[in-house]
Amino acid sequence: DGGITQSPKYLFRKEGQNVTLSCEQNLNHDAMYWYRQDPGQGLRLIYYSQIVNDFQKGDIAEGYSVSREKKESFPLTVTSAQKNPTAFYLCATQDGQKNSPLHFGNGTRLTVT
Amino acid sequence: GENVEQHPSTLSVQEGDSAVIKCTYSDSASNYFPWYKQELGKGPQLIIDIRSNVGEKKDQRIAVTLNKTAKHFSLHITETQPEDSAVYFCAASFQHAGNMLTFGGGTRLMVKP
Repeated sequence: DGGITQSPKYLFRKEGQNVTLSCEQNLNHDAMYWYRQDPGQGLRLIYYSQIVNDFQKGDIAEGYSVSREKKESFPLTVTSAQKNPTAFYLCATQDGQKNSPLHFGNGTRLTVT
Repeated sequence: GENVEQHPSTLSVQEGDSAVIKCTYSDSASNYFPWYKQELGKGPQLIIDIRSNVGEKKDQRIAVTLNKTAKHFSLHITETQPEDSAVYFCAASFQHAGNMLTFGGGTRLMVKP
């Protein structure tokens, strides 16, 4: 989706290092989400934010942190406390209307060795 | 809690045949059901969605049916083509979770030429 930019596409880190994944949107959507996807698996919700300066934990928030200082940006930090950080990370946005679809970025593949 | 079951997890069809993917959900108050297609290395893209006030919706070779009484909905792809090969996800909104979407586990569709 051209309106959601995730960078970089591939990221490599050594174990024990924190790493921040970027998600920027120009869709003027209120809500933003971070999902984790493991090979052959579905989408698991890490964190979400429905408004600037507010965010909520999802199903698998342990070892991750986020911030929402601007409407356009929702960076995700994978900390050294995350035991299995290697995965495909997807950012999504949603406008403020009830029952509207999520729009996804093209993801960042993080490999930690 | 919210739950969306998706079947089958893998589906192989011959080019030109039809493919059907089924999902069931747990919350009788759910009223929005999108379907996403995810190609390798990319984020999921919305392909069709349905709201609870209709029973069926079509868009060219793709159709979705909804049975609210039975709490299940299905994706139908007719005249399949090799480019339909991808992972498909269903999702349902859950009223008590602020209308957030919960995703099924995904179906890997393979269309053999």
